[in-house]
Amino acid sequence: EAGVAQSPRYKIIEKRQSVAFWCNPISGHATLYWYQQILGQGPKLLIQFQNNGVVDDSQLPKDRFSAERLKGVDSTLKIQPAKLEDSAVYLCASSNKGQTEADTQYFGPGTRLTVL
Amino acid sequence: AQKITQTQPGMFVQEKEAVTLDCTYDTSDPSYGLFWYKQPSSGEMIFLIYQGSYDQQNATEGRYSLNFQKARKSANLVISASQLGDSAMYFCAMRGRSWGKLQFGAGTQVVVTP
Repeated sequence: EAGVAQSPRYKIIEKRQSVAFWCNPISGHATLYWYQQILGQGPKLLIQFQNNGVVDDSQLPKDRFSAERLKGVDSTLKIQPAKLEDSAVYLCASSNKGQTEADTQYFGPGTRLTVL
Repeated sequence: AQKITQTQPGMFVQEKEAVTLDCTYDTSDPSYGLFWYKQPSSGEMIFLIYQGSYDQQNATEGRYSLNFQKARKSANLVISASQLGDSAMYFCAMRGRSWGKLQFGAGTQVVVTP
């Protein structure tokens, strides 16, 4: 079974530029998550989708970050304009259903973003 | 609010020895799940083991076992017979109510030496 796919793996941009990350979850997984992991910290949830609807985006900086999952499968996370503090690893994860505390999330390899 | 605490920033362990990684948590949810993930230098978060708050027995998965003490609100990970490939960052995480977010601790860096 194929795992969670993410691209690109690495991205370097100048501040105030825009950037987009792509994620394809495990086949059949209804729930998709985007996390931000700053160096030396644990991941922090940015947004959670259930199929193509948003379940939780309370920690998404909506003035510059946006995400979509139009057909309930793959997803795109965008940052526009980027700031220096956005330098981090962006992790995508998926899970089967999402609504129970036992639902295990499986992560992709991440995209390492550096903002100069 | 949920909180996960990992007090050990880093540990050295010799190959073939066992190591225990500490994790304490705080939640007001009556039902919750506890997870451990491994993050090697490549960056991917790898799921290791899960423990449900109502599970009667401690979870085990191969060389990984979870020492769950509900009254103490602790969920320590035990890795038996350490291997060089176990060198990585280890994160404890918790998920409470339905649809609740996965809350991660700060992680513990484990280095296995020959």
